[in-house]
Amino acid sequence: DTGVSQDPRHKITKRGQNVTFRCDPISEHNRLYWYRQTLGQGPEFLTYFQNEAQLEKSRLLSDRFSAERPKGSFSTLEIQRTEQGDSAMYLCASSTGRSSYEQYFGPGTRLTVT
Amino acid sequence: RKEVEQDPGPFNVPEGATVAFNCTYSNSASQSFFWYRQDCRKEPKLLMSVYSSGNEDGRFTAQLNRASQYISLLIRDSKLSDSATYLCVVNINPGTASKLTFGTGTRLQVTL
Repeated sequence: DTGVSQDPRHKITKRGQNVTFRCDPISEHNRLYWYRQTLGQGPEFLTYFQNEAQLEKSRLLSDRFSAERPKGSFSTLEIQRTEQGDSAMYLCASSTGRSSYEQYFGPGTRLTVT
Repeated sequence: RKEVEQDPGPFNVPEGATVAFNCTYSNSASQSFFWYRQDCRKEPKLLMSVYSSGNEDGRFTAQLNRASQYISLLIRDSKLSDSATYLCVVNINPGTASKLTFGTGTRLQVTL
């Protein structure tokens, strides 16, 4: 399968703990995006990388959140001092950046903060 | 006003019916438009891009009305397997080549 992959698929953590998620984009895609989705809502944009450069961050991305894409390939999203409100599905998407900006999503990491 | 608005449904239709979903967007300068499909507890999957001239893919037809800032998706001859949430998606801020803005989705349930 050469699609976007994410790890882990599910994460349960206690409030106050740190968590890190990984995303591996489609190999030839230079653009990588992180979104968050809560129940009954559409995904909401968090941040965007072109190669290794983080070019845009949403106001949703508080200072407890940090994302990296050190070599322009895989990306990590870390949440420090998790809160119950962080419980959501964290989706990663990638695109080539050519024509119409179609993005392809990974299966997501479902985070539950207890 | 939300940047992308959709009727959340649910739309309950019998197999074989034709169903249409509508979506409006707030920024008249938006240039890229999509419909994604999302099954329960799965990731969104690209169904089709929406082009200015309208486009069709099998039983699915998408149309764009820039003057009214309105996008539609028509599904003909509905199948049970079409049951899902359909997300209207817009690249709201052209030139940034980045984030997509999603509607909340319209839920479709096709029944026997």
